[in-house]
Amino acid sequence: ETGVTQSPTHLIKTRGQQVTLRCSSQSGHNTVSWYQQALGQGPQFIFQYYREEENGRGNFPPRFSGLQFPNYSSELNVNALELDDSALYLCASRLELQGGSYEQYFGPGTRLTVT
Amino acid sequence: AQKVTQAQTEISVVEKEDVTLDCVYETRDTTYYLFWYKQPPSGELVFLIRRNSFDEQNEISGRYSWNFQKSTSSFNFTITASQVVDSAVYFCALSDPNSGNTPLVFGKGTRLSVIA
Repeated sequence: ETGVTQSPTHLIKTRGQQVTLRCSSQSGHNTVSWYQQALGQGPQFIFQYYREEENGRGNFPPRFSGLQFPNYSSELNVNALELDDSALYLCASRLELQGGSYEQYFGPGTRLTVT
Repeated sequence: AQKVTQAQTEISVVEKEDVTLDCVYETRDTTYYLFWYKQPPSGELVFLIRRNSFDEQNEISGRYSWNFQKSTSSFNFTITASQVVDSAVYFCALSDPNSGNTPLVFGKGTRLSVIA
């Protein structure tokens, strides 16, 4: 049990629509990252938020955006959905440990299908 | 740029056999972390181990063991006496703790099937 939850579990959208995926993590997990995992591939980093500010981004277009809230929840928004956006979207929250290291906990993911 | 290569796409073993999953990484950083994750059919990534680049000691945890060879940039994972419950996709990943913005870079994964 990682304490990271994601909603919804599954989602079907039509090309061109917009979608919001949600993630909730534990108190003290100040960093949240989002990953896209296409079928048969490893997760790819989308972006990362620390204390409600984006502080890192992977090779994803601006139509992928996010928010992080003070209550340790976060959102991933995708506009103008494309068929290639169909994937498992994983949220990961990070707990900073002493000495500069950290533990990262993943949620169960949201399976997005774009038709 | 960082890169993780898992050359074995799929491995199939009979229960109780030992199996080693290979991981080779590339990075220009001198400080980094290496990870292994297990992804069962449910989809959630399960953390198995994190190893600091300065710690080359091999580690054993029950039936799991990890062999970190900095000289060959490899971080291999061995499951001893495999069980059906070990069937999953296993990912090796790399991170750079010097930059708080640098996320985990994942390999493409190795699908392990353990047959009863």
